[in-house]
Amino acid sequence: EPEVTQTPSHQVTQMGQEVILRCVPISNHLYFYWYRQILGQKVEFLVSFYNNEISEKSEIFDDQFSVERPDGSNFTLKIRSTKLEDSAMYFCASSPLGGWGTEAFFGQGTRLTVV
Amino acid sequence: QQQVKQSPQSLIVQKGGISIINCAYENTAFDYFPWYQQFPGKGPALLIAIRPDVSEKKEGRFTISFNKSAKQFSLHIMDSQPGDSATYFCAASSPQGDSSYKLIFGSGTRLLVRP
Repeated sequence: EPEVTQTPSHQVTQMGQEVILRCVPISNHLYFYWYRQILGQKVEFLVSFYNNEISEKSEIFDDQFSVERPDGSNFTLKIRSTKLEDSAMYFCASSPLGGWGTEAFFGQGTRLTVV
Repeated sequence: QQQVKQSPQSLIVQKGGISIINCAYENTAFDYFPWYQQFPGKGPALLIAIRPDVSEKKEGRFTISFNKSAKQFSLHIMDSQPGDSATYFCAASSPQGDSSYKLIFGSGTRLLVRP
């Protein structure tokens, strides 16, 4: 069964460093998303991406964050200068279409720890 | 107005019992209400979803009840099994201009089904 793949599963980084979280969405999916989940809290929307541009972004997704689809298969989230409060589980999701009822498939997540 | 409020935070049910999780929303533009199930170390996975013109949807042991006037919806798990032990998130969404669907998640309910 096709699945969304995220790497690495766990990333430890020093405060102020840049990190890139990688995702391989399900092939032929067109819509891509990043969400994050701070430990013990709810899943929060970060950004949606369609047709090679950002569709929508949340207040969390400030200038320190960027997304890119560098080739036909990868979808990356970059955090330019990490802060302690960026420590969270980051989930990538993709869906084949837009519109009502189109399921968003989530990856297993990357746990980011900023020390 | 973008929030989805979920209760209870945790729930313990005996095997064979009924698990009930409730959610409430404010934004009347929401038109898609999915429930996600998350096991430890995994990403959220779609369980069942409903649209606001339907009052109930059933899939196997899982039922969503929807009350549009009260802006509330709930998940009922009949004949709960130990394998149902997981965290459950309600969510809501409305279409964006490019048909992407940004999910707004509730805070999650940790369900434990005792054998």
